[in-house]
Amino acid sequence: GAVVSQHPSWVICKSGTSVKIECRSLDFQATTMFWYRQFPKQSLMLMATSNEGSKATYEQGVEKDKFLINHASLTLSTLTVTSAHPEDSSFYICSARYLWEKLFFGSGTQLSVL
Amino acid sequence: SQQGEEDPQALSIQEGENATMNCSYKTSINNLQWYRQNSGRGLVHLILIRSNEREKHSGRLRVTLDTSKKSSSLLITASRAADTASYFCATDEGGANSKLTFGKGITLSVRP
Repeated sequence: GAVVSQHPSWVICKSGTSVKIECRSLDFQATTMFWYRQFPKQSLMLMATSNEGSKATYEQGVEKDKFLINHASLTLSTLTVTSAHPEDSSFYICSARYLWEKLFFGSGTQLSVL
Repeated sequence: SQQGEEDPQALSIQEGENATMNCSYKTSINNLQWYRQNSGRGLVHLILIRSNEREKHSGRLRVTLDTSKKSSSLLITASRAADTASYFCATDEGGANSKLTFGKGITLSVRP
């Protein structure tokens, strides 16, 4: 089946720094990738839809300048958390749409901002 | 916004028993999907059922869909300890820019 690789798996950073998370589709081309945020024992909240070669579509309430998304190729999307603060600490998961319907997920990135 | 609502929120059963999880949703859908998540990991796609389908099987999984009631159920038969995980239903309204909307999830614990 389709494989989505996400890294890093976890990252600890100081408040005010920026963190980049990568999401790669390894054996298929993904024109659309999705970025989610998940708090402990809660559901996934869609942050933005990343489209290859165009600007990402952000969900209501998600700061575009805070969470920069770049989808420069058909196999790579990146999420950069800029000037991270402790409230940005969360589990971030990417996914890529495969065959128009199913989503394949990366393994997630646990971000801890000190 | 939350679309799917699963129940129960948590389920604890003995190995070998069947586990039934329910999901209700609010809008018209193109398909409904069930995913599984082990703690601290990404989600794994389990099964997809389209709006014109009523029942689907995959191994020990059985999914039903009742579009008139806007509900779906996931049945795991002969559960195993390894089935312990969180299970999410997700709805897809279809269309060119469709996206999945996830429910809150059900935590399943299977006791060995």
